[in-house]
Amino acid sequence: GNSVTQMEGPVTLSEEAFLTINCTYTATGYPSLFWYVQYPGEGLQLLLKATKADDKGSNKGFEATYRKETTSFHLEKGSVQVSDSAVYFCALLAGANSKLTFGKGITLSVRP
Amino acid sequence: DTGVSQNPRHKITKRGQNVTFRCDPISEHNRLYWYRQTLGQGPEFLTYFQNEAQLEKSRLLSDRFSAERPKGSFSTLEIQRTEQGDSAMYLCASSLALGQESYEQYFGPGTRLTVT
Repeated sequence: GNSVTQMEGPVTLSEEAFLTINCTYTATGYPSLFWYVQYPGEGLQLLLKATKADDKGSNKGFEATYRKETTSFHLEKGSVQVSDSAVYFCALLAGANSKLTFGKGITLSVRP
Repeated sequence: DTGVSQNPRHKITKRGQNVTFRCDPISEHNRLYWYRQTLGQGPEFLTYFQNEAQLEKSRLLSDRFSAERPKGSFSTLEIQRTEQGDSAMYLCASSLALGQESYEQYFGPGTRLTVT
């Protein structure tokens, strides 16, 4: 079956530090890959996506590249801000199956 | 605001009671999904509708759970004879599907259920 594995958290960084959150997946076919973010007290929001191999999704300074050879979709940001503190979920959508499969999520805390 | 809305936002109930949640999707979206999220975990798929048809149900959806989308617009999720293990955040999402193509899912704020 499909699965998403995220690195263990939580992660605490200082403002302006570089961020990498690892995500690997197992899926049949050619999935689309997503990063969702959940800010405190709010619902899940789509952060970025990539629909095929070598695509790079980007939004709000975050980037992730769909790597088919390593089945990975790692999230990066060059300089984090306090406002980036949230829970980040990696997810996939595979083929005609419409359901998203999520990783466990990782909590990011950015201190001033 | 034309996003996905869910009501109520919070529900506390006693074990054995029935509860019903409502989801109003983005108006032009023909697909509607229900997920459940427990503490420290990612959301898990429960079921989804295309228009009024329920097309898939997860094995997580026991026979105490029922979902409807009678007119292809809003949806309700009912849990009968609630158990403490049903305590979770119930998330609704909607998307637009055209032919075989399904576009990104937009999530509502969720209904947090606490069963005492």
